[in-house]
Amino acid sequence: GQQVMQIPQYQHVQEGEDFTTYCNSSTTLSNIQWYKQRPGGHPVFLIQLVKSGEVKKQKRLTFQFGEAKKNSSLHITATQTTDVGTYFCAGGGKLIFGQGTELSVKP
Amino acid sequence: DGGITQSPKYLFRKEGQNVTLSCEQNLNHDAMYWYRQDPGQGLRLIYYSQIVNDFQKGDIAEGYSVSREKKESFPLTVTSAQKNPTAFYLCASSPPGTVYNEQFFGPGTRLTVL
Repeated sequence: GQQVMQIPQYQHVQEGEDFTTYCNSSTTLSNIQWYKQRPGGHPVFLIQLVKSGEVKKQKRLTFQFGEAKKNSSLHITATQTTDVGTYFCAGGGKLIFGQGTELSVKP
Repeated sequence: DGGITQSPKYLFRKEGQNVTLSCEQNLNHDAMYWYRQDPGQGLRLIYYSQIVNDFQKGDIAEGYSVSREKKESFPLTVTSAQKNPTAFYLCASSPPGTVYNEQFFGPGTRLTVL
C-alpha cells in the first residue's frame, strides 16, 4: 500500500541553526500537508501543498512540494526554542502520515 | 469556543475490559476520524466517518468499534480483542467542502491498559 516515509526521525540543533525534514512517498500524492505537535500536545495543521513544485513560506518556515509530487520538505531557518516539537507530513486523499521528525532546540 | 473535545485525558483500564473514548465537536464538521499514535510512529487511522450513520474502517480497525449517531459525536470503543491497546488516541474532524481533508485534532486521550 501507499507509504509515506519521513527523515530524520530525530534532529537536535543549536538555537539559530537551520532545520530540514524530508517526506517521501512511494506513489504520487494528490496533496501534502504538514502538522506540528508540541510535546504533550496534539497535531496542529500548518499548511497544505497541492501543485507540483509548489513552494510556500510562513515566516521562518519554507515548505516545498516536489515536481513529481512524491516528496516534500519543511525547512526552518534560524530555529528558536518555540520550534520544538514533532513535525509530521501527511499526504494523499486519505492522509497517510509519516512517522514524524522530532526537533529539539538547545538554547 | 468552537473545537473538539476528548475525554478523559488519561484513562486506565484492566486487561480484558472494553473502554469507550469520547469525542465531541461543535465545529459543524461532517467528517470525523480516530487515530492511534504510538512512540516513534506516525498517526494510524482506525476509523473514519464522513456522514452521520456511516463510517468506514481505516488501516488498523481490528479490535475497535465506533458509532456516529449524531454529527457532533464519534465515540470509539476499544474492545478486549485489541491486542495492544495502550496508546495515545486522537480524534479529528474536517470542515465541509474541503477536498483534501485538512484535519482539526482534539487534545487526545492517553489510554493505559494494566
